[in-house]
Amino acid sequence: EAGVAQSPRYKIIEKRQSVAFWCNPISGHATLYWYQQILGQGPKLLIQFQNNGVVDDSQLPKDRFSAERLKGVDSTLKIQPAKLEDSAVYLCASSPGTSSYNEQFFGPGTRLTVL
Amino acid sequence: ELKVEQNPLFLSMQEGKNYTIYCNYSTTSDRLYWYRQDPGKSLESLFVLLSNGAVKQEGRLMASLDTKARLSTLHITAAVHDLSATYFCAAAGTALIFGKGTTLSVSS
Repeated sequence: EAGVAQSPRYKIIEKRQSVAFWCNPISGHATLYWYQQILGQGPKLLIQFQNNGVVDDSQLPKDRFSAERLKGVDSTLKIQPAKLEDSAVYLCASSPGTSSYNEQFFGPGTRLTVL
Repeated sequence: ELKVEQNPLFLSMQEGKNYTIYCNYSTTSDRLYWYRQDPGKSLESLFVLLSNGAVKQEGRLMASLDTKARLSTLHITAAVHDLSATYFCAAAGTALIFGKGTTLSVSS
């Protein structure tokens, strides 16, 4: 079974530029998560989708971050404009269930550096 | 609001000795996860603890859960170099809340 796929793996941009990340979850997984992991910290949930609907986006900085999950499969996370503090690893995870109690499977992440 | 604290944040271990990582969480959570993360890599699931008193073991690692004390422990038996990594615990509430991680370094 293929795991969670993410691209690109690395991205370097200058502040005020825009960037987009892509995630393909495990086939059949209803729930998709985007996490931000700043160096030296644990992952922090940004947004949770169930199928193509948003379940929780309370921690998403909506003035600059946006995310969508078209057709309930792939998802993109966009930052526009980027700030220095957005430098982090962005992890995508998927789960077969719809609750935070269901095990999540993580992708390799996208490491973003904002200069 | 669910909060998760791990300690220690850094642990320098000697090969062959035993160590314990502690994970405290602030409100009720009946599911506790332990993950391993190698540098530059993603999170690898180690254990899922589902109920009070749950104990799981894999190789030199053993995890336990005490829901009354809101405490999980990850015990390392006879540390070896291959265990060098960062270990995260995460408690399930309305979302999965992670601790800051414990970075283990094993030296001979």
